[in-house]
Amino acid sequence: DGGITQSPKYLFRKEGQNVTLSCEQNLNHDAMYWYRQDPGQGLRLIYYSQIVNDFQKGDIAEGYSVSREKKESFPLTVTSAQKNPTAFYLCASKTSGSFLNEQFFGPGTRLTVL
Amino acid sequence: AQRVTQPEKLLSVFKGAPVELKCNYSYSGSPELFWYVQYSRQRLQLLLRHISRESIKGFTADLNKGETSFHLKKPFAQEEDSAMYYCALTDQGGKLIFGQGTELSVKP
Repeated sequence: DGGITQSPKYLFRKEGQNVTLSCEQNLNHDAMYWYRQDPGQGLRLIYYSQIVNDFQKGDIAEGYSVSREKKESFPLTVTSAQKNPTAFYLCASKTSGSFLNEQFFGPGTRLTVL
Repeated sequence: AQRVTQPEKLLSVFKGAPVELKCNYSYSGSPELFWYVQYSRQRLQLLLRHISRESIKGFTADLNKGETSFHLKKPFAQEEDSAMYYCALTDQGGKLIFGQGTELSVKP
């Protein structure tokens, strides 16, 4: 099923390396989000973007960076400054201006630091 | 501070038993509340939202502003209901604030 895609599904990183997680959507949604999912902690917001060329920090932005050069794409870079990057990362998108406020999620990327 | 609390990390019931997943929130203003579900090997998806007042897969949830709760209920649990359930609210900026999640296990 299309909608929102994330790649890769699994990613392994050595300490000290930066890695970039891909998120693409073909839903024509304006807003896109990155969450980190850890057992027992739910989903925590890393970064979000309401419109192209604009983004804001979420609750746990330290050690991460994003860009939003195209409406369809919102890549997340996990930098070497992120102290505990091993986690499951979820991307989501939402149409702006809708009172329903439903976010649609991608399948996720599991990042493991070796 | 805006916060969503799900007090149970794991809830285990037998098939056919009633189930209630608890959710409490703190929010200044009128919240918009959701339940999301994540089945094994599937992506996170919306189960229901309070403004729709709907029943999805036999689940219902009523917003109780006095108790600041939005508990998810089903009268007769099925094995296929086993999944991870997240309660969430939307803040004024449209961002979702999630609870810690409750894993529901329905045993045969």
